[in-house]
Amino acid sequence: QQPVQSPQAVILREGEDAVINCSSSKALYSVHWYRQKHGEAPVFLMILLKGGEQKGHEKISASFNEKKQQSSLYLTASQLSYSGTYFCGTETLTGNQFYFGTGTSLTVIP
Amino acid sequence: DTAVSQTPKYLVTQMGNDKSIKCEQNLGHDTMYWYKQDSKKFLKIMFSYNNKELIINETVPNRFSPKSPDKAHLNLHINSLELGDSAVYFCASSQGLASGRRTREQYFGPGTRLTVT
Repeated sequence: QQPVQSPQAVILREGEDAVINCSSSKALYSVHWYRQKHGEAPVFLMILLKGGEQKGHEKISASFNEKKQQSSLYLTASQLSYSGTYFCGTETLTGNQFYFGTGTSLTVIP
Repeated sequence: DTAVSQTPKYLVTQMGNDKSIKCEQNLGHDTMYWYKQDSKKFLKIMFSYNNKELIINETVPNRFSPKSPDKAHLNLHINSLELGDSAVYFCASSQGLASGRRTREQYFGPGTRLTVT
């Protein structure tokens, strides 16, 4: 039931791009994305509701393919401040069940 | 003003003890949650609660119980603590079930690091 994220970890140099994927085995109503910095609480980034919809947040955007029950988070021109663990959160189409994904650790180095 | 607050921030206790963690939100949200984050960083939902409905994750031992004195507070009580309970516990809140909304961005408290010795 917990969505699976890939990759588990990624290391980038400043300015490089990254993609984080989230895949669910259940039909989804929405996908959320959160970022958690070391020693802090998760912070909400964005929600995607419709299939194929892309949303943006500064240089971070995401897409949601409801047919494939997948979402991807795109980080472009990464900055040191992007470092942290990224979690997707999925809300099932039926049953209102919400689960966080397995997490992706992203480290941006100078 | 802190939106979601938790106390204490750190809790060290011995096996077998009973402890509580308090959570308060001043966002006017109608739904609150408790999460457990283990050493592998997995965020596991334990409970979601509004004034009408308590949803319990079936894998949570019944030693854990949420107690809500009012809409702005959801405390977590843990009986007979075990070593495996050591983790960071996060409280969160959102607009949600009671207001009829399905999309619910969640706002997290700072976490309580529980260590059971």
